[in-house]
Amino acid sequence: DGGITQSPKYLFRKEGQNVTLSCEQNLNHDAMYWYRQDPGQGLRLIYYSQIVNDFQKGDIAEGYSVSREKKESFPLTVTSAQKNPTAFYLCASTGQRGVGTGELFFGEGSRLTVL
Amino acid sequence: AQRVTQPEKLLSVFKGAPVELKCNYSYSGSPELFWYVQYSRQRLQLLLRHISRESIKGFTADLNKGETSFHLKKPFAQEEDSAMYYCALKVGYNKLIFGAGTRLAVHP
Repeated sequence: DGGITQSPKYLFRKEGQNVTLSCEQNLNHDAMYWYRQDPGQGLRLIYYSQIVNDFQKGDIAEGYSVSREKKESFPLTVTSAQKNPTAFYLCASTGQRGVGTGELFFGEGSRLTVL
Repeated sequence: AQRVTQPEKLLSVFKGAPVELKCNYSYSGSPELFWYVQYSRQRLQLLLRHISRESIKGFTADLNKGETSFHLKKPFAQEEDSAMYYCALKVGYNKLIFGAGTRLAVHP
């Protein structure tokens, strides 16, 4: 079944710990994105990657890190430097046709709660 | 500055009533705008894009460059239209910025 898979769906973390959210796609898409969704603020772009081994900061990259070693995978690490990490995180991707057309395909999301 | 503004957090209407979800944008380049929708327990998905000038599920949206708006409209709301709606602006080649979203509640 093609699509984008995010894991875990729910994650709890203690303050001071790093945590990595997984995002895998089997759509053969080149571009991948991480957004953060907070109530009343919509989606804010954290990082995006247009091609393997390359990525760019979005609007709220501080306290986050990513890697893009494989086309299928774009993991997001929420570091202890992120001051307010409790949020819902969405991963998305788009292929060559999508790039430029604005159609992103989203995962189901991961909810991170810092205790 | 690049910005998408959706002034209403919640829009509540009765079935059969007209619906208009507002979206205003700020962008110095040539704008490309989109509406995304998230139904309960479903993934966020593209509803329509201005460049296609299409009607999807009875919804239409017209880009008004003079008013920098891209409002989403439907003449007769249905209960199944209840969802979270996000307006999005493409900036650069493949980067989207989203508004805060409007929750549409259609009551029987």
